[in-house]
Amino acid sequence: AQSVTQLDSQVPVFEEAPVELRCNYSSSVSVYLFWYVQYPNQGLQLLLKYLSGSTLVKGINGFEAEFNKSQTSFHLRKPSVHISDTAEYFCAVSDSNYQLIWGAGTKLIIKP
Amino acid sequence: DAGITQSPRHKVTETGTPVTLRCHQTENHRYMYWYRQDPGHGLRLIHYSYGVKDTDKGEVSDGYSVSRSKTEDFLLTLESATSSQTSVYFCATRGGLPETQYFGPGTRLLVL
Repeated sequence: AQSVTQLDSQVPVFEEAPVELRCNYSSSVSVYLFWYVQYPNQGLQLLLKYLSGSTLVKGINGFEAEFNKSQTSFHLRKPSVHISDTAEYFCAVSDSNYQLIWGAGTKLIIKP
Repeated sequence: DAGITQSPRHKVTETGTPVTLRCHQTENHRYMYWYRQDPGHGLRLIHYSYGVKDTDKGEVSDGYSVSRSKTEDFLLTLESATSSQTSVYFCATRGGLPETQYFGPGTRLLVL
């Protein structure tokens, strides 16, 4: 069975500093990978997704992620964070039935 | 925004009472999902639907039932609510393979 591991439950970072949120998955087959963001008291919205092609995927709000098949990783990065990026970020992988398997989430805490 | 609404948005109920949550979509998406979100667990799939009257169980389906009599509506029922079902419930929809899941705003349920 597939699984998704988000290695950090919380990531504190100073405003305007770069950030990386880590995601590893277990799968022996081709996968589709997603990052979603959840702002406080809201639903989830898609940040970016990898389906095929270029391993560097750009998303909304200046975020990008790189698919690394050999390391089974899909880490999310932003070169300079803002206070408005405070949210919880979820990594997900689709299984063979296109259901999403979710990581536990990483809370991004921006320090002024 | 994929035009997904959930009702009610907040509910407090007592143990043993039946509860029905409604998800309504205006996108004519074929697939609909019910998740629960609990701290440290990310999102866990309760039930999903792949068409009118076509539903299947997810990871945490015990104590829940669903119905889909129309494309636009997907109901989640807790036949006899328990305190362990206190959670935030999200509905999601998907139009095709392997496209994005779009989320509703969530329903906060407290079972006393």
